[in-house]
Amino acid sequence: EDQVTQSPEALRLQEGESSSLNCSYTVSGLRGLFWYRQDPGKGPEFLFTLYSAGEEKEKERLKATLTKKESFLHITAPKPEDSATYLCAVQALNNFNKFYFGSGTKLNVKP
Amino acid sequence: KAGVTQTPRYLIKTRGQQVTLSCSPISGHRSVSWYQQTPGQGLQFLFEYFSETQRNKGNFPGRFSGRQFSNSRSEMNVSTLELGDSALYLCASSLEGNDSPLHFGNGTRLTVT
Repeated sequence: EDQVTQSPEALRLQEGESSSLNCSYTVSGLRGLFWYRQDPGKGPEFLFTLYSAGEEKEKERLKATLTKKESFLHITAPKPEDSATYLCAVQALNNFNKFYFGSGTKLNVKP
Repeated sequence: KAGVTQTPRYLIKTRGQQVTLSCSPISGHRSVSWYQQTPGQGLQFLFEYFSETQRNKGNFPGRFSGRQFSNSRSEMNVSTLELGDSALYLCASSLEGNDSPLHFGNGTRLTVT
């Protein structure tokens, strides 16, 4: 069965302390892997789409990478405004209308 | 461009009642999906509609239903509410095609007492 596992569940960083979030996935043919950011009381906000192993995408302090079994979201020199829950989701080739989400990593960046 | 709009933002219902939630997608988006988000289960897929047709359905009981109108707006209905239905219900729209992420609304927070 297609599934997504994110780790750690929660991460506390000091401002400027770089780290990585992990998203491991099992899917019968990957069509796309998506990263989202969710702030309290709001819906997830789209960040990146990755399609094939070796692909990388960057946006400000965030960089997403993809291998055949997992994706990493690297956060370089985070700021308090980066605090949020980060979700990843996969889309399968044979069922592209349905996204499978991980349970998220709650990031807290302290000043 | 206006984002995905969900109404109402908050709802309080009692067990046994029914509820209807509404979603207006981004203009031009014809695919609308619904997800249930709870602290324990994360985001769980409910169903997806395209051109008024349900194309995919998640593993939820028949009490959960939805529909899409010709203008792509969508509604979901939950009948005979149970305490466990308390959750954030998220609607997402997307363009049809390979490079089409989901764009989410801010959800409807449903509390069942």
